[in-house]
Amino acid sequence: NAGVTQTPKFQVLKTGQSMTLQCAQDMNHNSMYWYRQDPGMGLRLIYYSASEGTTDKGEVPNGYNVSRLNKREFSLRLESAAPSQTSVYFCASSDATSSGNTIYFGEGSWLTVV
Amino acid sequence: GDSVTQMEGPVTLSEEAFLTINCTYTATGYPSLFWYVQYPGEGLQLLLKATKADDKGSNKGFEATYRKETTSFHLEKGSVQVSDSAVYFCALLSGNTPLVFGKGTRLSVIA
Repeated sequence: NAGVTQTPKFQVLKTGQSMTLQCAQDMNHNSMYWYRQDPGMGLRLIYYSASEGTTDKGEVPNGYNVSRLNKREFSLRLESAAPSQTSVYFCASSDATSSGNTIYFGEGSWLTVV
Repeated sequence: GDSVTQMEGPVTLSEEAFLTINCTYTATGYPSLFWYVQYPGEGLQLLLKATKADDKGSNKGFEATYRKETTSFHLEKGSVQVSDSAVYFCALLSGNTPLVFGKGTRLSVIA
């Protein structure tokens, strides 16, 4: 049972470099999400996709772009990395955003921008 | 907008002690409420949930009751173990908006 798989698990970037975090789910879920986790801040939503072909901004979208490539995959891109983007990134998916549904998380991607 | 407030940690308990982690929420409508747990180096796992007022979610000895009158969803466990050491997140889901999380409470249980 793969669930939600995200890569890479660890990455170090230099300021200004770009990179893409990949995420795939095998549960046939409609909705996918990208969160970042910072000490003392909990999880904050970056972007989400309620269904294939749609994306919406979350609480902290600046500096990021996303692509819902197909129903399975939802990638997060940093075009020009900044030290403030040092964080742990979590991808998640659910079968709907309606009340009562469960969100499943990947294991996280640790990103350091120097 | 919707929000979740949970007690700040860290919380340090001895093994077999009683645990309470407070969580209150603000939401329009009738949200579903969740507790997620994050063990060191891992992602978040659903611990329990409740979808309507007076529901009690339970799992692995943990319980939480959805209290609409006090807008609360406090997490409790009667006897904690070292293996319960983790970060616990309260969260809510309301309507078509994505899950909203509290800031997390770190629990350390010492033998």
